[in-house]
Amino acid sequence: KAGVTQTPRYLIKTRGQQVTLSCSPISGHRSVSWYQQTPGQGLQFLFEYFSETQRNKGNFPGRFSGRQFSNSRSEMNVSTLELGDSALYLCASSLDGAATGELFFGEGSRLTVL
Amino acid sequence: QQQVKQSPQSLIVQKGGISIINCAYENTAFDYFPWYQQFPGKGPALLIAIRPDVSEKKEGRFTISFNKSAKQFSLHIMDSQPGDSATYFCAAKSSGNTPLVFGKGTRLSVIA
Repeated sequence: KAGVTQTPRYLIKTRGQQVTLSCSPISGHRSVSWYQQTPGQGLQFLFEYFSETQRNKGNFPGRFSGRQFSNSRSEMNVSTLELGDSALYLCASSLDGAATGELFFGEGSRLTVL
Repeated sequence: QQQVKQSPQSLIVQKGGISIINCAYENTAFDYFPWYQQFPGKGPALLIAIRPDVSEKKEGRFTISFNKSAKQFSLHIMDSQPGDSATYFCAAKSSGNTPLVFGKGTRLSVIA
């Protein structure tokens, strides 16, 4: 069974640009969560999508947005990039996200903002 | 406001020794406490998890100890091996459609 796939794995952007990251969950998983990982802050929750609906949202500015498609694939978008957005963005899928809390993570998309 | 506080930030342990990582929480609604292990270049993966109805759970060399009254839980790695060198995250979650919240992580290095 294929794992969670994230693309692109690495990308470099400049301040003010926008970026879109993609996540394909494990087949059959309907919940997709996004986390931002930085050395000083650990894993911070961005948002969770379940059946194309945003079910939970973390404490991030509106520049961070996401969506989920009918096949459970998800994208997140960051507009007007800032230097502080440089991080590893992790996508995690689960069957339903709510019951057990077990998440299956991808290897992440490492974003560098110059 | 950090919901789960993890310590230490980094830890160096001799091969064969015991690694201990601690976490504390404030939200008494939390009822699921997993630990995730992350190797460089990889995403975190579930290592072991516990619910508050038990005080300890053991899986191989990994043990979670849970103290509900103190609102603390810890991960013990017995007979630590160089292959255990990774970053460990504690996490917590309350029931229902709530997200998993993570501690800031502990970078463990096991040296021979």
